Amino acid sequence: GAVVSQHPSWVICKSGTSVKIECRSLDFQATTMFWYRQFPKQSLMLMATSNEGSKATYEQGVEKDKFLINHASLTLSTLTVTSAHPEDSSFYICSATGTTYNEQFFGPGTRLTVL
Amino acid sequence: KQEVTQIPAALSVPEGENLVLNCSFTDSAIYNLQWFRQDPGKGLTSLLLIQSSQREQTSGRLNASLDKSSGRSTLYIAASQPGDSATYLCAGDSGGSNYKLTFGKGTLLTVNP
Repeated sequence: GAVVSQHPSWVICKSGTSVKIECRSLDFQATTMFWYRQFPKQSLMLMATSNEGSKATYEQGVEKDKFLINHASLTLSTLTVTSAHPEDSSFYICSATGTTYNEQFFGPGTRLTVL
Repeated sequence: KQEVTQIPAALSVPEGENLVLNCSFTDSAIYNLQWFRQDPGKGLTSLLLIQSSQREQTSGRLNASLDKSSGRSTLYIAASQPGDSATYLCAGDSGGSNYKLTFGKGTLLTVNP
């Protein structure tokens, strides 16, 4: 159990375009979802926390107008990178917690490359 | 602000060796702690979760412990195998309403056949 999927697994886009990444909890209801980004040889950095039906809480330094997060249902959260630039190229990973809260289950990640 | 240090940053061992990976938190008030494995270009696989009331967890050849007084955790891998080669990450949260995890940079483990 506790499977989280992400789509797409990789995406290449041109500078200035927007890209949407989906995160789904397949076999449990995710009350909270988290979005992370990871640069090469670096650790995961939390970008934002989202609870179903409410606005996401962004970490300091993360532009909420650039990284739009929607958590419309208990099984789906989306991250939209708007007007993407090459410096947004990174590995984006989502995670989800259920009602027990204390364990996060991670998706397989999405590799974004902005040309 | 919580910071997590993992030592060593990289480790190369021959197959069959027992090894210990270390993780320390600047703020020892850790509520839950997780150890993860990450293969190159992949997401995270949860290995062990030490919940707030626990001090240790075991799964197969893996054993993780947490000393809350010092904010230090260790991951012990017994009889290492080439398939154990990966980056190992520790992460902890301080409880609260959302249980946000703070990650270390990881230890890159290579087990040589």
